[in-house]
Amino acid sequence: GAVVSQHPSWVICKSGTSVKIECRSLDFQATTMFWYRQFPKQSLMLMATSNEGSKATYEQGVEKDKFLINHASLTLSTLTVTSAHPEDSSFYICSARDSGVYEQYFGPGTRLTVT
Amino acid sequence: AQSVAQPEDQVNVAEGNPLTVKCTYSVSGNPYLFWYVQYPNRGLQFLLKYITGDNLVKGSYGFEAEFNKSQTSFHLKKPSALVSDSALYFCAVRDIYNFNKFYFGSGTKLNVKP
Repeated sequence: GAVVSQHPSWVICKSGTSVKIECRSLDFQATTMFWYRQFPKQSLMLMATSNEGSKATYEQGVEKDKFLINHASLTLSTLTVTSAHPEDSSFYICSARDSGVYEQYFGPGTRLTVT
Repeated sequence: AQSVAQPEDQVNVAEGNPLTVKCTYSVSGNPYLFWYVQYPNRGLQFLLKYITGDNLVKGSYGFEAEFNKSQTSFHLKKPSALVSDSALYFCAVRDIYNFNKFYFGSGTKLNVKP
């Protein structure tokens, strides 16, 4: 149980285009999901908290217009990187909190490369 | 503010030997501490957590961690390392005011050599 999936696992896009990453909780409901960014050989940095049915809460320094988050259902949150630039290349990891318990389960991550 | 520190970027150990990955924390109040493991190009996998109770916490894959309040440490240990334990290990602390928020350490790369 407690499986979180991400799609795609790896994406390459051209500079200026937008990319959507999906995060799904497969066997539990998640009213809250989280998006992290991880640079090579560095730790995870929380980007935003995604709440089902309401606006996401962004961490300081994260551009909300660049990183659009939508949490349309209890099992799906999406992160759209708009007008991507090479500096947006990173490993993006989502996690989901089981609505019944205070536990976060992490997805396998999505590697974004912007050329 | 809450934070965790992992003083070692890398730990090398021979297979069969005991391993320790260090973590210290800074928390105002009772800490909720976690260890996660990350394999290349994969997300984080939960190993164990300390909330309250026994200072020695047992987790997945034979790992354990010892909570030491006087030294503000939460070191990860395993009695006998396996080559397959080679991975990136993260210590994390949960924000005491916002249970949704985790603060991660910088990570320690564990290399287990045969």
